[in-house]
Amino acid sequence: ETGVTQTPRHLVMGMTNKKSLKCEQHLGHNAMYWYKQSAKKPLELMFVYNFKEQTENNSVPSRFSPECPNSSHLFLHLHTLQPEDSALYLCASSQDGAGSRNSPLHFGNGTRLTVT
Amino acid sequence: QKEVEQNSGPLSVPEGAIASLNCTYSDRGSQSFFWYRQYSGKSPELIMSIYSNGDKEDGRFTAQLNKASQYVSLLIRDSQPSDSATYLCAVIVNSGGYQKVTFGTGTKLQVIP
Repeated sequence: ETGVTQTPRHLVMGMTNKKSLKCEQHLGHNAMYWYKQSAKKPLELMFVYNFKEQTENNSVPSRFSPECPNSSHLFLHLHTLQPEDSALYLCASSQDGAGSRNSPLHFGNGTRLTVT
Repeated sequence: QKEVEQNSGPLSVPEGAIASLNCTYSDRGSQSFFWYRQYSGKSPELIMSIYSNGDKEDGRFTAQLNKASQYVSLLIRDSQPSDSATYLCAVIVNSGGYQKVTFGTGTKLQVIP
């Protein structure tokens, strides 16, 4: 299996639920990212990990909690979400850290999240 | 002012025509520019990168960069229905002392058979 894999593809959860999104990359990259994509809005960077260390938290509410146990795996733990958090959540990886001109982003297929 | 601006479209072109997608950015110090294509229900995929002023060609795709005007464009020659997708412009901008990839909202392209 190659590329960036995200599970689940679709998730419906209530506002009181706790769930987790999973991302795995098989590209040998050193940086991993969480992006949020909402209708009519640009991709919003949420979190960045370089070599398992979080290097950016883009003012994301604490109801989103990332975890990066190693360079190949990234999780996004969700709890007490709001309906406005419904969106497509995309995981991405790159060879080098964020902003490297020679290190484009490779995206997973995303998790379509609906909060009811 | 938005960091990266694109017309959301949709941009409709007939099959075989040239599609022209435009993007402007606010950070004059930006050095790296990318075009991603995103089919409906799919993830973005990189199709072009450009770093220097001028044109860069790859098959039917040409990226154009004008740093003085803070403008980057993507031309698609001989447009095909399979080119119908949303095209995202991405720019590496300086933010708080470090660099990050910033995306525009994307332009939806429809190629009419």
